[in-house]
Amino acid sequence: DAKTTQPPSMDCAEGRAANLPCNHSTISGNEYVYWYRQIHSQGPQYIIHGLKNNETNEMASLIITEDRKSSTLILPHATLRDTAVYYCIVRPYSGNTPLVFGKGTRLSVIA
Amino acid sequence: KAGVTQTPRYLIKTRGQQVTLSCSPISGHRSVSWYQQTPGQGLQFLFEYFSETQRNKGNFPGRFSGRQFSNSRSEMNVSTLELGDSALYLCASSLELAGVGNDEQFFGPGTRLTVL
Repeated sequence: DAKTTQPPSMDCAEGRAANLPCNHSTISGNEYVYWYRQIHSQGPQYIIHGLKNNETNEMASLIITEDRKSSTLILPHATLRDTAVYYCIVRPYSGNTPLVFGKGTRLSVIA
Repeated sequence: KAGVTQTPRYLIKTRGQQVTLSCSPISGHRSVSWYQQTPGQGLQFLFEYFSETQRNKGNFPGRFSGRQFSNSRSEMNVSTLELGDSALYLCASSLELAGVGNDEQFFGPGTRLTVL
């Protein structure tokens, strides 16, 4: 079972920052937070992952709270092409464990 | 660098038949994972192959099987198809085993299987 809770849907105006929350209150010390997204009719796409420090790459930023019980994925300037289902996944970084996808958040970027 | 490719993209079968789906990972990737996606159950892990060996398996019946070849290409087979097997089957490749080192997974476009 997925170990995360995400809102089922969100809207964001084009050009504005999209902030997608994720609750993972039972996260363990050796578990990372991963984010993937799935654009309609495509396979999921890796976005970012982190342990406890904030992370940033060319696609997004990941902000993890100090107690690690929740995180926020930030798309700084959302475009229409960012419309997708976003999945927050908690998984150990060592040990052979697969990705467990929950229902994710359907983000709609509106012009 | 070419992405993950899956063939065929679409397939229609009837109940009781069997089907084989193919996945070619990104060059240099050694791990291939398979997922099933349905509207009701979402994305569910089927199995992972690494160095021609199944390393992990999800909660699916034995009708679902797979294999990996020495060039890392993988196939999955579903025997005795049921209506409920209609789904999008996704393949993902990564450099290393899931959860080990550099394990970012790159997904293919999927094969959409319809069972009539």
